[in-house]
Amino acid sequence: GAVVSQHPSRVICKSGTSVKIECRSLDFQATTMFWYRQFPKQSLMLMATSNEGSKATYEQGVEKDKFLINHASLTLSTLTVTSAHPEDSSFYICSARDGGSSSYEQYFGPGTRLTVT
Amino acid sequence: AQRVTQPEKLLSVFKGAPVELKCNYSYSGSPELFWYVQYSRQRLQLLLRHISRESIKGFTADLNKGETSFHLKKPFAQEEDSAMYYCALSGPNYGQNFVFGPGTRLSVLP
Repeated sequence: GAVVSQHPSRVICKSGTSVKIECRSLDFQATTMFWYRQFPKQSLMLMATSNEGSKATYEQGVEKDKFLINHASLTLSTLTVTSAHPEDSSFYICSARDGGSSSYEQYFGPGTRLTVT
Repeated sequence: AQRVTQPEKLLSVFKGAPVELKCNYSYSGSPELFWYVQYSRQRLQLLLRHISRESIKGFTADLNKGETSFHLKKPFAQEEDSAMYYCALSGPNYGQNFVFGPGTRLSVLP
């Protein structure tokens, strides 16, 4: 089946620094990738949708300048949390849709736990 | 605005008992409905979607447009069904307005 990886799985950074999270589709071309945020014991919240080669579409309330998303290739999307603060600590999950399939299925990555100290 | 509700945060049933996980939605138009499952320490994965009308691991879900519901059912629960279940909705253009419900934790007791 389709596999999505994320790197790193865990990251700890100091307040004020930037952190980049990578999301890769390993065996398919992901024309569309999604970034979610999940707080403890809560559901996933869609942050943005990115299509390869174009700007990401952010959900209402998500700061574009803080959460930079780049989808430069059909197998890689990156989320950069700029000038991170403790309130940005969360579990970030990406998913990808197979561009070669008519299915609506999203394949999820394992998630990245970000802790800002 | 689109919305997905799952009224039960936690549902406990005994092994062999029927289980129904409730999901209601609000959406102006024709959405696509999904059920996702997350087993302990595993990533989220698709369980089933309404357009495929299939049964996965004994689970079925029927879209009731009149009641705007997409309840997940299984006649005989197994211990390995214990997991977090999320109902989700997508607009007709895939990825449009994709929304997850709050999730229901199913615990199947021996």
